Amino acid sequence: DTGVSQDPRHKITKRGQNVTFRCDPISEHNRLYWYRQTLGQGPEFLTYFQNEAQLEKSRLLSDRFSAERPKGSFSTLEIQRTEQGDSAMYLCASSSKGPNEQFFGPGTRLTVL
Amino acid sequence: AQRVTQPEKLLSVFKGAPVELKCNYSYSGSPELFWYVQYSRQRLQLLLRHISRESIKGFTADLNKGETSFHLKKPFAQEEDSAMYYCALRGGTYKYIFGTGTRLKVLA
Repeated sequence: DTGVSQDPRHKITKRGQNVTFRCDPISEHNRLYWYRQTLGQGPEFLTYFQNEAQLEKSRLLSDRFSAERPKGSFSTLEIQRTEQGDSAMYLCASSSKGPNEQFFGPGTRLTVL
Repeated sequence: AQRVTQPEKLLSVFKGAPVELKCNYSYSGSPELFWYVQYSRQRLQLLLRHISRESIKGFTADLNKGETSFHLKKPFAQEEDSAMYYCALRGGTYKYIFGTGTRLKVLA
C-alpha cells in the first residue's frame, strides 16, 4: 500500500497519560499535515511540515501538543497529560509540491477516559 | 478571519434529482477552494478544486467571489454519491480550513 499510513488506528488512554501517534506519508511527498476531527466537525488544522521544518502551527494547539518530522519522512504527534477533551480522530495528510492535493491517512482515534 | 460555512448537515435527494451542496467562505484575499469527500469506511479524499475547473464524477463547483460561495452541484444524483462532503479553503498560508460537512443521502 503506497498511501498514507497511521499508527495506531485506535488508542484508549487514561486522563493524564502521554500518547504518541505516528504518520508515514507517501514516500515522495515533502509536505505533511496533522488535523484533529471531532464528532460533527470537519478536520481542524493542527500543524504543517515541509520536509523536516515545522512551518505552521495552529494557535489553538496547546503546549501539551508537539509534533516532529525529524528526517523529513515520518512524523510523530505527541500529546502530553491527555485530557478528555483531546478525544478525537487525529488525521495525517501528505502532499507533493504544486497542485496541493492532500492525501489523507485513515486516522488514529483517541479516546481519553 | 478565515471561515468556511456549510449550512446543511444533511441533504437527502432522490436518485436522478439535482444536487447542490452549499459552501460559503470568509476570506479577504483570493482563496483556493476545494471539495473533499468521504465515502463510508473510506478515507477523506479530494473531489475537486476550483483552479482545475473540471467535472469529477459529474460534480462541478464554481467559485463566486461576489457571493463568496463555492457550491457543489450535480445534475443527476446517483446512489453511489451518498457520502460526507467537506468544503475547504486555503488562503495564503499552508493552513486549510474545513467546513463542518454535509452528509448527502441519495435515496433509491
